[in-house]
Amino acid sequence: DGGITQSPKYLFRKEGQNVTLSCEQNLNHDAMYWYRQDPGQGLRLIYYSQIVNDFQKGDIAEGYSVSREKKESFPLTVTSAQKNPTAFYLCASSIKGGLYNEQFFGPGTRLTVL
Amino acid sequence: KQEVTQIPAALSVPEGENLVLNCSFTDSAIYNLQWFRQDPGKGLTSLLLIQSSQREQTSGRLNASLDKSSGRSTLYIAASQPGDSATYLCAVRSGGSNYKLTFGKGTLLTVNP
Repeated sequence: DGGITQSPKYLFRKEGQNVTLSCEQNLNHDAMYWYRQDPGQGLRLIYYSQIVNDFQKGDIAEGYSVSREKKESFPLTVTSAQKNPTAFYLCASSIKGGLYNEQFFGPGTRLTVL
Repeated sequence: KQEVTQIPAALSVPEGENLVLNCSFTDSAIYNLQWFRQDPGKGLTSLLLIQSSQREQTSGRLNASLDKSSGRSTLYIAASQPGDSATYLCAVRSGGSNYKLTFGKGTLLTVNP
């Protein structure tokens, strides 16, 4: 089955810890995205990548980092610099990063700070 | 700055009813609009994508329309079923958006048996 997988489903972080959220896709999509969802708010873009070894900051990149070493993988690291990381994190992909292409989403990772 | 609003925030209807969800956006210079469904604690499922040159798209019992000039889209659900209960999100991709989608906060739909 083609799709987007995210792991883990639930993640708990202690104060001062860095944690990494995994996102993998087997859709052969070029573009990948990370969004954050908070209760009562719309999704907000953290980072996006149009091709391997290239990525750009979204609206709320502070305290986050990403890498894109492989086409199918786009991991997100939540660093200790992110002061309010508790949220639902969603990864998405599209065929290309163009303006007309549909985005498909993974099942999400819920991150909680203890 | 593009802003997307969805009204109502919540809607409860009896099974079998036809219903309309509304989405409005402030900047009419969009490339496309996408409707999603989200079940509690789950990711987003893409329902329909309307390009800026299109007026509507249909998939099964769902019909989405787009009026770019007035900054509005509607999602029509025919013969609603309890399985349609979910949050419905509208998102637009607009000029200068650096490939991101701007999302509304969603409409929580409950279809009662």
